[in-house]
Order: sequence, then C-alpha cells, then structure tokens
Amino acid sequence: AQSVTQLDSQVPVFEEAPVELRCNYSSSVSVYLFWYVQYPNQGLQLLLKYLSGSTLVESINGFEAEFNKSQTSFHLRKPSVHISDTAEYFCAVSKRSNDYKLSFGAGTTVTVRA
Amino acid sequence: NAGVTQTPKFRILKIGQSMTLQCTQDMNHNYMYWYRQDPGMGLKLIYYSVGAGITDKGEVPNGYNVSRSTTEDFPLRLELAAPSQTSVYFCAISGGNTIYFGEGSWLTVV
Repeated sequence: AQSVTQLDSQVPVFEEAPVELRCNYSSSVSVYLFWYVQYPNQGLQLLLKYLSGSTLVESINGFEAEFNKSQTSFHLRKPSVHISDTAEYFCAVSKRSNDYKLSFGAGTTVTVRA
Repeated sequence: NAGVTQTPKFRILKIGQSMTLQCTQDMNHNYMYWYRQDPGMGLKLIYYSVGAGITDKGEVPNGYNVSRSTTEDFPLRLELAAPSQTSVYFCAISGGNTIYFGEGSWLTVV
C-alpha cells in the first residue's frame, strides 16, 4: 500500500513571497505522484503530476514540483504567490497501474496575506 | 470538473435513512471512483470500478454499496445512515493519465 505525509498542515505566507509545501510518500512499488488544489467549497483540481521522465514538473500557473526518488519526496514550490493561491493543497500517490487509485495526504492550507 | 456530474450537492439525512449519491460521466472512461473527505484527513477511497459490471472495495467501504450497470453511471448508496458518514463525497473518473473529480456532495447525518 502507498501512503502520503504532508509535513505542514498550515502555511501562512505574504503575497509575492515564495512558498514550499512538503510531501513525502511511502511505497514498496513504483508510483505516480500528484498535487491537487481545492478552493473553498469546490472540488479538486489537478495542479501537476509526475508519471515518468523529467523529475521536475511544472503547472501553467507557476507551481513546480520535483520528484526525488531517493528521499521519496514530491515537494511543491512557487517562487511568488498571489492572494488567489489561498487554498488547500493535497499531495497524492498511486502505484503505477491503470487504475489510478489515489492515496491522499491530509492537506496543507495555504493562506496568502497582503 | 468537466464531464463528471454529482447529485445532490447538499443533503441532510436522519440517522437510519437511506439515500443514493449519483455520479454520471460523459467522457466514456472505464475507471470511476468514490472518495470521502473528512476535515484534516484528506480523501479516502470508498469504492471503485474498472468498467461496467465490475466494482471493488477501497479503503473505507463499510456502510456503503455501489453498482455499475453502465459506463456512464456509478451511484453510491448509503443504506442506514450514521453520523460517522457525515462527510463530503467526491466522484472521480480516470482516463488518459488524468483523474477528474466532480464538484462534491455535502452530506450531513443528524
């Protein structure tokens, strides 16, 4: 089975400052990794995913995450946040198969202040 | 969330009542899932289906049932609602290396 630990439950940050959300996973098999964002009272939206290839993956809105196999991590970063980035962020993992059964971390709430 | 429709969005149930959460997709994907989200605990997989007629248990199936008679529909049934089933429920589908989530159904059992 796979499991995910998000090391920070709450991250307050000032606008235009950088942010890093930490995610570690545990698995005995190869995995796919995902970051999702959830805005208040809404569903989950995919931010980015690592399936194979380059270990650095980027999203269209400035986030990036790096897969580190030796440290079993998939930390999410953004060099300069906006007020609109206030949301909850979930790291998720699935084993490498077609069924994509996801195991989620507990989530990190990011609050961006002016 | 395009392609995955969940109903109802909000529902209050009394203990012991039953209800069905509906999930419909228009993307013709084989894989469908039901998750529940509890505060501070992320999402947990309840049931999933790899195609019409095939379902299997996830991490937290107790108190729920599912069926998959068509590719499009994957309803989740609560037979005897309990306060512990107060949660937000998400239906999801996967295809093309991407997982799409519905908007969620907020269920309160009182």
